[in-house]
Amino acid sequence: GAGVSQSPSNKVTEKGKDVELRCDPISGHTALYWYRQSLGQGLEFLIYFQGNSAPDKSGLPSDRFSAERTGGSVSTLTIQRTQQEDSAVYLCASTLMGVRGEQYFGPGTRLTVT
Amino acid sequence: AQKVTQAQTEISVVEKEDVTLDCVYETRDTTYYLFWYKQPPSGELVFLIRRNSFDEQNEISGRYSWNFQKSTSSFNFTITASQVVDSAVYFCALSEGSNSGYALNFGKGTSLLVTP
Repeated sequence: GAGVSQSPSNKVTEKGKDVELRCDPISGHTALYWYRQSLGQGLEFLIYFQGNSAPDKSGLPSDRFSAERTGGSVSTLTIQRTQQEDSAVYLCASTLMGVRGEQYFGPGTRLTVT
Repeated sequence: AQKVTQAQTEISVVEKEDVTLDCVYETRDTTYYLFWYKQPPSGELVFLIRRNSFDEQNEISGRYSWNFQKSTSSFNFTITASQVVDSAVYFCALSEGSNSGYALNFGKGTSLLVTP
């Protein structure tokens, strides 16, 4: 079946611009996570959604980051007023077996802020 | 504080050698889950194994095997008779209830290079 998909695969933006990154989880997966992978910080958790509940934003690095999930499926991560330190690969993952199950990752969006 | 430690940053082996990737974790939870993921040069994280804290039985899947020891808080991964296609970065991860939605807490990864 189809895996987690993310778009765009690559995004280059100028410092100060806003960007939107999209994640389409595996159909039927109720839990969705965003992570960020950068050279300096490794893989770090950003935000978590469970079904239609309000997200847990405890991992977001600043208030310039926000995310939403529509209809318990597709999610959008928005970064406002991008900074160079936002450059990273943004990964989305979803899981079927509740929050304790294995997470399946998408291919990621490589964000470069110039 | 780093909850998952992968002390080996890079490992280089010759094809057909066995190699063990170390993972040490830290948690106060009694229920937790441990994972290994593979990240090949293409970049996508590939799930390899999930283990819960109540199951210390070692697992073997083909050339892969995992040794979970709660006494030493370790979850080591061994590749037997390594192949060039095993070249990748391998991540160990911990999932615990004190994390949001059992989010994964990753180690820094071990880069494995298998040469012919």
